[in-house]
Amino acid sequence: EVQLLESGGGLVQPGGSLRLSCEPSGFTFSNYAMSWVRQAPGKGLEWVSAISASGGSTYYADSVKGRFTISRDNSKNTLYLQMSSLRAEDTALYYCAKRMGVDSGPSDYWGQGTLVTVSS
Amino acid sequence: EIVLTQSPATLSLSPGERATLSCRTSQSVRGYLAWYQQKPGQAPRLIIYDASNRATGIPARFSGGGSGTDFTLTISSLEPEDFAVYYCQQRRDWPLTFGGGTKVEIK
Repeated sequence: EVQLLESGGGLVQPGGSLRLSCEPSGFTFSNYAMSWVRQAPGKGLEWVSAISASGGSTYYADSVKGRFTISRDNSKNTLYLQMSSLRAEDTALYYCAKRMGVDSGPSDYWGQGTLVTVSS
Repeated sequence: EIVLTQSPATLSLSPGERATLSCRTSQSVRGYLAWYQQKPGQAPRLIIYDASNRATGIPARFSGGGSGTDFTLTISSLEPEDFAVYYCQQRRDWPLTFGGGTKVEIK
């Protein structure tokens, strides 16, 4: 059974940093691209970032480019999202999602999310 | 950035009725469009990918169609568990983008 477990969320002050982690199980992590998607309270889904299976290609939404960094450690079976210069508008539930392909594809499995709150 | 516009914002229907949801994209995404279902307090679930392919475990009452810029998700006969919010997403170009969602509610 595929499972994705996010962690690392919490309360952080504006301008602060946070690193999210996602630990997958039930599939060969190194064979699939991954994404982070967020959802602000009461709002819709917003794609944040994606990374290829090898980690060699990364992509970002304009709203987070230059502030967030996606990475993965295939030897540790873990996906990361390093977030810096956080703003109030980054407050959201952050989902880790497995993509169907090596470098692309829709997201066929999702974690339950980790909540990030940016507030003073 | 490719903008996705979903309509209607809310669809009020009764169990057993047919639901037709629309997703229009600002430029062609060819067939690279997916639909997700989200229930309150739950993560999104993939329903349809590449416009018309049902994801694993999705019942046959769900079907997707369209290409280019106009897409539809059809639920042939609504079951109680189908009342939820549905999002479309394109993967034709970066950044990936979602539509604003259609809420299917019980009439």
